[in-house]
Amino acid sequence: NAGVTQTPKFRILKIGQSMTLQCTQDMNHNYMYWYRQDPGMGLKLIYYSVGAGITDKGEVPNGYNVSRSTTEDFPLRLELAAPSQTSVYFCASSLPPRENEKLFFGSGTQLSVL
Amino acid sequence: DQQVKQNSPSLSVQEGRISILNCDYTNSMFDYFLWYKKYPAEGPTFLISISSIKDKNEDGRFTVFLNKSAKHLSLHIVPSQPGDSAVYFCAAQDTYSGGGADGLTFGKGTHLIIQP
Repeated sequence: NAGVTQTPKFRILKIGQSMTLQCTQDMNHNYMYWYRQDPGMGLKLIYYSVGAGITDKGEVPNGYNVSRSTTEDFPLRLELAAPSQTSVYFCASSLPPRENEKLFFGSGTQLSVL
Repeated sequence: DQQVKQNSPSLSVQEGRISILNCDYTNSMFDYFLWYKKYPAEGPTFLISISSIKDKNEDGRFTVFLNKSAKHLSLHIVPSQPGDSAVYFCAAQDTYSGGGADGLTFGKGTHLIIQP
């Protein structure tokens, strides 16, 4: 039972480079999320999606883009990477909040921008 | 403006004793609260939750207490075991105003260390 799968686990980028963090889930969840966690801080919501074709900004969306072409996949795109984007990124999925608010998280992607 | 606060960055408890992790919130619209546990190099995993219509929820060794008037919740672990050593995040959600679709608001976490 895979759950939420994120790739890659680690990545080092140079300033100005771009990359896509991949996230896929096999639980048929409509709701998916991207969070980032900075050292000593809680998780902050970057973007979320309530279903294929629908995305919305979270608390810290600047410098990121997302797409949701299928129920399973929710990639996060970093354009023109900056040192401030050094963080651990977590993808999560859930059933509709009023039915089951529990989020299932992937194992994370540790990103360093140098 | 931190809406969910965990004021203890770390907590050390002896094995077999009770661990009490605290969480305060400021948004009175929060009506659902969760605790997540996180090991190094892994994603957070759900531990226990409580709805605002309750003041206590129990699951094995884990009990969460909610004091709505004080906007305070706590997680009790009895007895504490070495495998409980992890970072614990408190999270809250307003499931009605925004439908809850915009996810959870997390505290900064408390690193629990269980000493043998």
